[in-house]
Amino acid sequence: AQRVTQPEKLLSVFKGAPVELKCNYSYSGSPELFWYVQYSRQRLQLLLRHISRESIKGFTADLNKGETSFHLKKPFAQEEDSAMYYCALSSGGGADGLTFGKGTHLIIQP
Amino acid sequence: DTGVSQNPRHKITKRGQNVTFRCDPISEHNRLYWYRQTLGQGPEFLTYFQNEAQLEKSRLLSDRFSAERPKGSFSTLEIQRTEQGDSAMYLCASSLVPAGLANEKLFFGSGTQLSVL
Repeated sequence: AQRVTQPEKLLSVFKGAPVELKCNYSYSGSPELFWYVQYSRQRLQLLLRHISRESIKGFTADLNKGETSFHLKKPFAQEEDSAMYYCALSSGGGADGLTFGKGTHLIIQP
Repeated sequence: DTGVSQNPRHKITKRGQNVTFRCDPISEHNRLYWYRQTLGQGPEFLTYFQNEAQLEKSRLLSDRFSAERPKGSFSTLEIQRTEQGDSAMYLCASSLVPAGLANEKLFFGSGTQLSVL
């Protein structure tokens, strides 16, 4: 069965400091990994996905199949980055639902 | 607002009652998903539709739960004989996926918060 683990429920860093939100997954095939974000009083929305190899709002994430990880990183945190972040996995290759982690609440202190 | 719309936003009901939620996806989206989220957890997949066909159901979806998408547009999720454990946020999401391709970007609604007393 596929599983996504986000070990930190809460992460607090100061503005301007680097941020790394951890995500590990368990899946026997070739997964597709995503990061979704929910800002206060807003809907859950896609932040980025590994297949796009993109940087969104300064965030990047690299899929490491050896370590089965997909950590989210940003070199310099901004106050507007404060939000709930969810890592999600899709088995891909067809239709199925995403498996989400429990989420990490990121707080950027001024 | 042309995003995914869910109604009602909040529902309070007594144990044993039936409830129905509605989801209107983004108009051209062919896939529609239902998720459930409880406090401190990420969204959990319940079921999804490709147009009007319900293609997958999670084992979380007991026989008290039923979902429909009769014309391939809006969807309803009904919970019969509600239990206190059904209290959660019910999220709907939609996506546009060309046939044969994998899951793409999901657009979520604001959810329906169910409280079973």
